[in-house]
Amino acid sequence: ETAVFQTPNYHVTQVGNEVSFNCKQTLGHDTMYWYKQDSKKLLKIMFSYNNKQLIVNETVPRRFSPQSSDKAHLNLRIKSVEPEDSAVYLCASSRDNANTEVFFGKGTRLTVV
Amino acid sequence: GDQVKQSPSALSLQEGTNSALRCNFSIATTTVQWFLQNPRGSLMNLFYLVPGTKENGRLKSTFNSKESYSTLHIRDAQLEDSGTYFCAVANTGNYKYVFGAGTRLKVIA
Repeated sequence: ETAVFQTPNYHVTQVGNEVSFNCKQTLGHDTMYWYKQDSKKLLKIMFSYNNKQLIVNETVPRRFSPQSSDKAHLNLRIKSVEPEDSAVYLCASSRDNANTEVFFGKGTRLTVV
Repeated sequence: GDQVKQSPSALSLQEGTNSALRCNFSIATTTVQWFLQNPRGSLMNLFYLVPGTKENGRLKSTFNSKESYSTLHIRDAQLEDSGTYFCAVANTGNYKYVFGAGTRLKVIA
């Protein structure tokens, strides 16, 4: 049963637009993540937050910015999207940041035209 | 080079047969996870492992920390086992799980 909820499921937008993706977890976890899955299905971490604090920030373009209002929510904003941003964005959470079990949402598929 | 390597990259199995998927890694870790991504894209948790072995129904997984690998055994493969299997290895140095490239499994009748 899903406990990490992402919206929207799909989003199609034009180059240069701004998009925001939402993620909420109901597991009571302290740590949340954003992963990007490209067209080859490779999964790479983008950001990680622990108790609303950024702890992992991979080398992603500056147009990507995570936003956390509380430990149950972690949103992702992309300013001025590029064609290479087309991918599936997966939100996840874990009890803490000590390599505990990670649970994923169903993903948001972004298509940039 | 790749820190987490999965093999094979793709596999076709006859329904009812058995197989083993492999995950080799080169990073310091204490935990490994296995996921199945179904055709709709959802990542389902299969196993969360510390060194040792776990079993769940027709699936069994082993994490060997000394030799830096993990295996996922599928017994009596069913059509619904089709999908992409990912292993993820926790890097103890930086709080990150590193994913392998996946094994695409197709079970045929």
